[in-house]
Amino acid sequence: GAVVSQHPSWVICKSGTSVKIECRSLDFQATTMFWYRQFPKQSLMLMATSNEGSKATYEQGVEKDKFLINHASLTLSTLTVTSAHPEDSSFYICSAPQAGVFNEQFFGPGTRLTVL
Amino acid sequence: AQSVAQPEDQVNVAEGNPLTVKCTYSVSGNPYLFWYVQYPNRGLQFLLKYITGDNLVKGSYGFEAEFNKSQTSFHLKKPSALVSDSALYFCAVRSRGGTSYGKLTFGQGTILTVHP
Repeated sequence: GAVVSQHPSWVICKSGTSVKIECRSLDFQATTMFWYRQFPKQSLMLMATSNEGSKATYEQGVEKDKFLINHASLTLSTLTVTSAHPEDSSFYICSAPQAGVFNEQFFGPGTRLTVL
Repeated sequence: AQSVAQPEDQVNVAEGNPLTVKCTYSVSGNPYLFWYVQYPNRGLQFLLKYITGDNLVKGSYGFEAEFNKSQTSFHLKKPSALVSDSALYFCAVRSRGGTSYGKLTFGQGTILTVHP
């Protein structure tokens, strides 16, 4: 199956700093990628849809200026958590649908963000 | 709007016994339905999907699921559980069109514990 990677797998940062998370589709091109947030023992909540070459589409309640998304190429989307605070600590997961039969989504391994 | 409900937060089963993880959904029109498994601090792994055709879908690791349109359910099953099946399981739905095209909506997850 298709492979999606994320980097870093975990990051610890100080409050007020910005953190960038990368999501890459390794063996296919993805014009769309999705970013999810998951709190411990909870479900995945869709944050935004990343669109190659255009602005991301954010879900209701997600701060656009807080969570900056850039989809600069067909294989890379980045999520930047700006001025991070402890409440931003979470597990962030990206996914990318592979064009073809029913656009099945492939998920990255996730990034654990801890803000001190 | 589409939604998914997994009525059981936890399911406990003895190794070798059959297991069922329940899922019901709500979506306009005919759905795409998915099951994913998540191990601690890992991304989601695809198990199986229902697109069309046979209501009984077979997937990875011996899992299967039955699509029941009248009951709007898509329960995950396995005839003989293994300890290694212990994980967090998510049911997800995606509509075939409209404004939510491509977006997955996840259930809240069910923790499956298989006892030796």
